[in-house]
Amino acid sequence: GQQVMQIPQYQHVQEGEDFTTYCNSSTTLSNIQWYKQRPGGHPVFLIQLVKSGEVKKQKRLTFQFGEAKKNSSLHITATQTTDVGTYFCASGTASKLTFGTGTRLQVTL
Amino acid sequence: ETGVTQTPRHLVMGMTNKKSLKCEQHLGHNAMYWYKQSAKKPLELMFVYSLEERVENNSVPSRFSPECPNSSHLFLHLHTLQPEDSALYLCASSRNPMGEKLFFGSGTQLSVL
Repeated sequence: GQQVMQIPQYQHVQEGEDFTTYCNSSTTLSNIQWYKQRPGGHPVFLIQLVKSGEVKKQKRLTFQFGEAKKNSSLHITATQTTDVGTYFCASGTASKLTFGTGTRLQVTL
Repeated sequence: ETGVTQTPRHLVMGMTNKKSLKCEQHLGHNAMYWYKQSAKKPLELMFVYSLEERVENNSVPSRFSPECPNSSHLFLHLHTLQPEDSALYLCASSRNPMGEKLFFGSGTQLSVL
């Protein structure tokens, strides 16, 4: 299956600072999905990217898929305490989805 | 509310116990999944069911036994578990196995003593 590595494992920011998590693969990915899991919660689908160089935005969140389709990033502008949680990237079809290890984001006032 | 309901939310069991986890989806999806989430590990896919037929079994020990009586319900029967099986067990569904996104339930936090 498609292997994905995610960095950093953990990031602690002050509210208002930006945050970025990266997802990397040694092979070309068919797609990239992003999920968010709040503390004590379950993963919730955020978005899917499929095209080379694709960029999508959801309010303060910007998602990018690399030109070579081997990496992706999630950038949050001006973090808020509601952004706290673990962000996972994943790749593949629903029945063969490979998840990254996740980046845990902590936001303090 | 994601449309995927899991019970129980928490479970503590001894190594000789037998218990079952239940999952129900109200989304009209045709594929359902069991995932295991352990600390500092990626989500691990355990089982995949499509229209009540098992299509994937990712080398899961036989002490975990899935059952899918219909496309809306999924069970995970547990027996003679080990302490290292303690984890969050997540049920998920998708429109079909080739579908895009997964909808996860709230999970069962399992502790094996």
